[in-house]
Amino acid sequence: DARVTQTPRHKVTEMGQEVTMRCQPILGHNTVFWYRQTMMQGLELLAYFRNRAPLDDSGMPKDRFSAEMPDATLATLKIQPSEPRDSAVYFCASGFLLEQFFGPGTRLTVL
Amino acid sequence: GDSVTQMEGPVTLSEEAFLTINCTYTATGYPSLFWYVQYPGEGLQLLLKATKADDKGSNKGFEATYRKETTSFHLEKGSVQVSDSAVYFCALSVSAGGGADGLTFGKGTHLIIQP
Repeated sequence: DARVTQTPRHKVTEMGQEVTMRCQPILGHNTVFWYRQTMMQGLELLAYFRNRAPLDDSGMPKDRFSAEMPDATLATLKIQPSEPRDSAVYFCASGFLLEQFFGPGTRLTVL
Repeated sequence: GDSVTQMEGPVTLSEEAFLTINCTYTATGYPSLFWYVQYPGEGLQLLLKATKADDKGSNKGFEATYRKETTSFHLEKGSVQVSDSAVYFCALSVSAGGGADGLTFGKGTHLIIQP
């Protein structure tokens, strides 16, 4: 049963620290997405890659967030420095044709 | 820009009741439409989709019809169960070709089914 995996599942950190979230997409999917979910804003698209190339990162705060896909089995989302307003659940999804399959999310709390 | 509007709830129903969750959209291109479901502590799961006008998506007793003339994609189920309690998201994607593209989501509707 192929699934998207994300690590860590929970992260508590202090303001100013670097946070790295990792995602392993489903093998064979050519598109990887990063979304953020908060109570106030709901679900927002941050960035996505197709065939490992960045396609759109317009939803991402450029000064502190970065997304990379060093190989086909790993996507990363980094926040440096982190701020309390970054507290949210971050979802990775991988897609093929029209369907997207979501991971369980990383719940980030920045104190 | 693209947007999705759905009733936010919570929506509370008794078991075996009829369910409708309204969803309307605005899009710059010709979107594909989706309903996703999220159970507590989990990621989103695709419930159903429709890619062109008058298409009906269906799954697990849920249905939604792509209505271009009213820009709507309302979710319906004839008889809900307690296990249907979850948050339901309406979403759209305007494909640029080559595969899945980013989703624009509504705010989500929290559905509570009472025994």
